[in-house]
Amino acid sequence: GAVVSQHPSRVICKSGTSVKIECRSLDFQATTMFWYRQFPKQSLMLMATSNEGSKATYEQGVEKDKFLINHASLTLSTLTVTSAHPEDSSFYICSARAFGGGANTEAFFGQGTRLTVV
Amino acid sequence: DAKTTQPPSMDCAEGRAANLPCNHSTISGNEYVYWYRQIHSQGPQYIIHGLKNNETNEMASLIITEDRKSSTLILPHATLRDTAVYYCIAYGGATNKLIFGTGTLLAVQP
Repeated sequence: GAVVSQHPSRVICKSGTSVKIECRSLDFQATTMFWYRQFPKQSLMLMATSNEGSKATYEQGVEKDKFLINHASLTLSTLTVTSAHPEDSSFYICSARAFGGGANTEAFFGQGTRLTVV
Repeated sequence: DAKTTQPPSMDCAEGRAANLPCNHSTISGNEYVYWYRQIHSQGPQYIIHGLKNNETNEMASLIITEDRKSSTLILPHATLRDTAVYYCIAYGGATNKLIFGTGTLLAVQP
């Protein structure tokens, strides 16, 4: 299957600082990327949908000023957690669907980023 | 997008077939049934998807009922490495979002 690379895989930061997570589609162009958050023993929760060249669409309850999403190219989307606090500690996962892919095209997921805010 | 219902957990003996059910009674005509799995602390892995017809690939088979209200994912010869949470998702509605439910924790026993 197609490869989606997420970096870093693990990060520890101090409270109040910002952290950037990168998501790259390595062998295909992705018009749309999705960002999820997962707390221990829970399912994935969709945070936002990132479209290349336009503003991200955030799910209800997700603060767009805290979780900045940029989708500058067809192969790269970034999630920046601004002014991180311990409650932002979580597993963040990105997903990408190929350019022109409709419902019959599978989305592929990155390996996830474990964020710990101390 | 249609909501799906899965049993919270299942056990399967190593080497036997694992049959994971999923109910999606409100699925619409243009929604596909997707299956992903997540092994602990990793990103979800795509398994298979289908619309109406049964599908098979190197990982699994997907059986969709004629009325499309339910489906079954079949892992023909389960191994210990198949222990994971399996998610069934109905996708393709107007919202264009891949929404995860609670999934089924499949435990393959030696």
